[in-house]
Amino acid sequence: DAKTTQPNSMESNEEEPVHLPCNHSTISGTDYIHWYRQLPSQGPEYVIHGLTSNVNNRMASLAIAEDRKSSTLILHRATLRDAAVYYCILRANAGGTSYGKLTFGQGTILTVHP
Amino acid sequence: KAGVTQTPRYLIKTRGQQVTLSCSPISGHRSVSWYQQTPGQGLQFLFEYFSETQRNKGNFPGRFSGRQFSNSRSEMNVSTLELGDSALYLCASRPPGRSKAFFGQGTRLTVV
Repeated sequence: DAKTTQPNSMESNEEEPVHLPCNHSTISGTDYIHWYRQLPSQGPEYVIHGLTSNVNNRMASLAIAEDRKSSTLILHRATLRDAAVYYCILRANAGGTSYGKLTFGQGTILTVHP
Repeated sequence: KAGVTQTPRYLIKTRGQQVTLSCSPISGHRSVSWYQQTPGQGLQFLFEYFSETQRNKGNFPGRFSGRQFSNSRSEMNVSTLELGDSALYLCASRPPGRSKAFFGQGTRLTVV
């Protein structure tokens, strides 16, 4: 599985934007970039995913570099409820034998200060 | 719609015993995956089932097994429990044709 690299931890103030980086220099052309987050005492929660183009949803935005070797998850206005571990994951496309498997790294612990 | 339900939420077992954990996926989801989460190893993939067939397996010993029933509910079994099996066991389900996974809250297993 292609590997991702994320900072161990980041801090933010409430209501400020947060940019969470992820490096994936060995990404293959068919790998999707997924982000999940895990709040304390809960299972992981899907945040967003993309292939090549930038993506937006109600939770966040995903900015993907043109060469796809890195991406950034953007939380536009952090709240205390956004404090979690954020995982950047590469996922094989549908039809691949590992499609249903998520390979989690250590993730980034996001602390949000009031 | 009800989310992914895992039972029990907490479990304490003795070394050498076996344990069965249950996962009920979201209605309509046919794919169920299991993960183990420990402080040292993080989240690790155990296996995935789709339509009662194991489709993918992680790097765990044969003491870890699973199955899926015709209603998509899944169970995982760990035999001859070891202290190192103490972990949070998470189940995730996926809707047909979609890559987004929905996780349950997990079963916290403690082996003493």
